[in-house]
Parts: sequence; C-alpha cells; structure tokens
Amino acid sequence: QSVLTQPPSASGTPGQRVTISCSGSSSNIGSNSVSWYQQLPGRAPKLLVYRNDHRPSGVPDRFSGSKSGTSASLAISGLRSEDEADYYCATWADSLSGPMVFGGGTKLTVL
Amino acid sequence: EVQLVESGGGLVQPGGSLRLSCTASGFNFSVYEMNWVRQAPGKGLEWISYITSSGVTIYYADSVKGRFTISRDNARGSLYLQMNSLRAEDTAVYYCARRIYFDSWGQGTLVTVSS
Repeated sequence: QSVLTQPPSASGTPGQRVTISCSGSSSNIGSNSVSWYQQLPGRAPKLLVYRNDHRPSGVPDRFSGSKSGTSASLAISGLRSEDEADYYCATWADSLSGPMVFGGGTKLTVL
Repeated sequence: EVQLVESGGGLVQPGGSLRLSCTASGFNFSVYEMNWVRQAPGKGLEWISYITSSGVTIYYADSVKGRFTISRDNARGSLYLQMNSLRAEDTAVYYCARRIYFDSWGQGTLVTVSS
C-alpha cells in the first residue's frame, strides 16, 4: 500500500488526452514538489516531469504536470501508441517508510 | 552523455550478502546526490536509499534500515549498496538514480534471493 495513490490503470485512444492522478496528504504532496516517470516495458524509468510542472529537455510538450493541494496530475495529450507504459509519481514525504515515496503506478493502455 | 551502470547483482541465499556498484560517467558525480531504487518482479518502484554529494547525509527506507548501507567514492565516480541479511522479499531489479527527482537512471541489476 503506497503513501501516494494512483489509479492502477488508465486508457485512451490515439489522439486523445489522458490524465493520471496522484493523491497524497499534507505531509507529502501538500508540502513538497512532485515528479513523474514513464517506464516502458522492460526498460528503466525515465523522468517526465519534475518540480510539479517542469519538463526535462527532450520530453515532448504533450506531457504536462500540475499540482493542487495534496494531489498532482500528469496529462498526456495527442496520445500515441508508444505512450503505452507504466507511469509513477513521486515526492518527498514525512513518512515512517522513508523520506521519499513513489505512487503505486498506473498502467496506461492505448486502445 | 550521462551514464549510470549498475553491477554486482546475482543469486544469493537468504541471510547472505551482496554489494552493488553504480559507475557514473558523463557528469561531475561528486556534486550530485544519488539514490537506490528497486523494483520487485511485476511490482512498482520502491525508493530505498539516498546519499548527499558529500556522503554526510544518508536516508533509508524502513524496509532496509539496519541491513543495507549506501556509500560513495567520489574519486572513482561510484555509488555502492552493501546489502546484508538478505531476504526473499529483497528480490528485485536495483537501479541507481541521480538527484532527488531521479533525473537519470541506470539500466538496473537483478538481485535474486533464493535457496
């Protein structure tokens, strides 16, 4: 059971806009910035968004992050088949499990 | 180009030990904080340890505290994870990742704890 809650699955058709949520609390998301990662099958994770809404160079602007209160979201617009992957949120946390936590992950299927 | 290469994984019996290494290249390793993150087969990501650039500040997840030790050698550009008292539930791919928001990852090394 992760400290950060993500829906286990999401889906969309090519060209659609999909949003993945990440829900936390005042001790984690509420007081720290959020980052998002994409993990393609059999590959290492890749940073998509950091500090809530910043994209590293090379990440398409189809990917965008936002944060409001104790929740954060990753939006993917113009969905493509190659976006089919697992997506994880992460943040610092004042948690007994350690200062850094990941969400449980969301498997995105492109129909 | 930033590169992180993990090594040292393998099959170990419960109660055994293993030392993982992460060799960095393409950037000034000595000024970046580093992490170890693991992923059990078919499961999500789990952060397990963090070390500042100087090595002065270190954090661990509760699941590995007292059994795992993170360290670094800035002169060698290397990060380490000493894993003792290994359990079946430590079976996972272990990744090293740079910075507090994991901006670069290695390819991972598989650790299997089994008799």
